[in-house]
Amino acid sequence: SAVISQKPSRDICQRGTSLTIQCQVDSQVTMMFWYRQQPGQSLTLIATANQGSEATYESGFVIDKFPISRPNLTFSTLTVSNMSPEDSSIYLCSAFGDTIYFGEGSWLTVV
Amino acid sequence: EDQVTQSPEALRLQEGESSSLNCSYTVSGLRGLFWYRQDPGKGPEFLFTLYSAGEEKEKERLKATLTKKESFLHITAPKPEDSATYLCAVQASTGRRALTFGSGTRLQVQP
Repeated sequence: SAVISQKPSRDICQRGTSLTIQCQVDSQVTMMFWYRQQPGQSLTLIATANQGSEATYESGFVIDKFPISRPNLTFSTLTVSNMSPEDSSIYLCSAFGDTIYFGEGSWLTVV
Repeated sequence: EDQVTQSPEALRLQEGESSSLNCSYTVSGLRGLFWYRQDPGKGPEFLFTLYSAGEEKEKERLKATLTKKESFLHITAPKPEDSATYLCAVQASTGRRALTFGSGTRLQVQP
């Protein structure tokens, strides 16, 4: 099984600022994904993080707002840019190894 | 478009009272159906993957089954520690490999 570590686990952010979330997997994985889970809701896919190329974004999510990097097979970052209170959510990193695993999530509150 | 519907939204059981959670899905071609458990403040914890109709998997008090249109998560003689949100998700055999999630069933088991 894969172990996924996310940083930060929780943060309170000021409106208009940006925050980068890091995701580290303890083994090489073929695919990594970023999800958002708004309070009381289920998981919504933001994008697929592609190693060595641009991320593939889902409808409603754009690169300028959620830039993603994946420099190698074990690491990815998601930046939430120019934050507003509507961005207050849990952001989850997911990796495709022998099955699909999730990190513990990064809880962002925008004030 | 892939869709996952879970029912009921919430379920309250007495300790020892067995029940089932339902997950109905539509997908262009099913690569796998996944069940996760999510505790408050945590990321989803992998439980099962089912790949073909008729398949069953068990883990402690949980048993997952799959048909061509739905999956059931049977909980036998639940304990209070089984209280959590149970998420169902599908992975399509073509196109993107990320999971599409249902809205979850919030299970509360009372002693």
